[in-house]
Amino acid sequence: NAGVMQNPRHLVRRRGQEARLRCSPMKGHSHVYWYRQLPEEGLKFMVYLQKENIIDESGMPKERFSAEFPKEGPSILRIQQVVRGDSAAYFCASSPYSRSYEQYFGPGTRLTVT
Amino acid sequence: AQTVTQSQPEMSVQEAETVTLSCTYDTSESDYYLFWYKQPPSRQMILVIRQEAYKQQNATENRFSVNFQKAAKSFSLKISDSQLGDAAMYFCASSGAGSYQLTFGKGTKLSVIP
Repeated sequence: NAGVMQNPRHLVRRRGQEARLRCSPMKGHSHVYWYRQLPEEGLKFMVYLQKENIIDESGMPKERFSAEFPKEGPSILRIQQVVRGDSAAYFCASSPYSRSYEQYFGPGTRLTVT
Repeated sequence: AQTVTQSQPEMSVQEAETVTLSCTYDTSESDYYLFWYKQPPSRQMILVIRQEAYKQQNATENRFSVNFQKAAKSFSLKISDSQLGDAAMYFCASSGAGSYQLTFGKGTKLSVIP
């Protein structure tokens, strides 16, 4: 059973460009969570999605950030007009139910904004 | 709301020795979970051990065990017979039992000295 997959693993963008981060949950998991890890910090919750629904985006910056989890295909975290402060590692986790007890993390995407 | 504090930014241990990483937390939840995650240089987040707050018995996974002091809101991780592969960042995390959000501490960087 393949784990949570994220791609790309590394992404470099110039200021003002768009970044698209992809997450494929584990087979059978319909709940996806995105976390951000800034340098020298722990992970911070951004958003929780189920198929075709955003359940909780309370941790997501109000502007430039959006997330989706379509009926088919991976979950996408999209950052428009990136700035240097967006440089971070972005982790996706998935679970079979809506709970923290069984969240499985992907390897993360390291975004560098130049 | 949950907060997690790791007061040791860095620790080191001799190979084959024992080390304890500290974590304190605060929560308004009556039932909650506590976790220790390992993040090696690959940055993959790996669940090391988890504890359900209503269980009095300390969780153990092979060389890893916790000392859960509920009244003191303390949740330390003990690594016995340390190995070179244990070198990593270790994050303490918490969540409400019915919640999906994990709250992480800032981490402790563990070095293992051969």
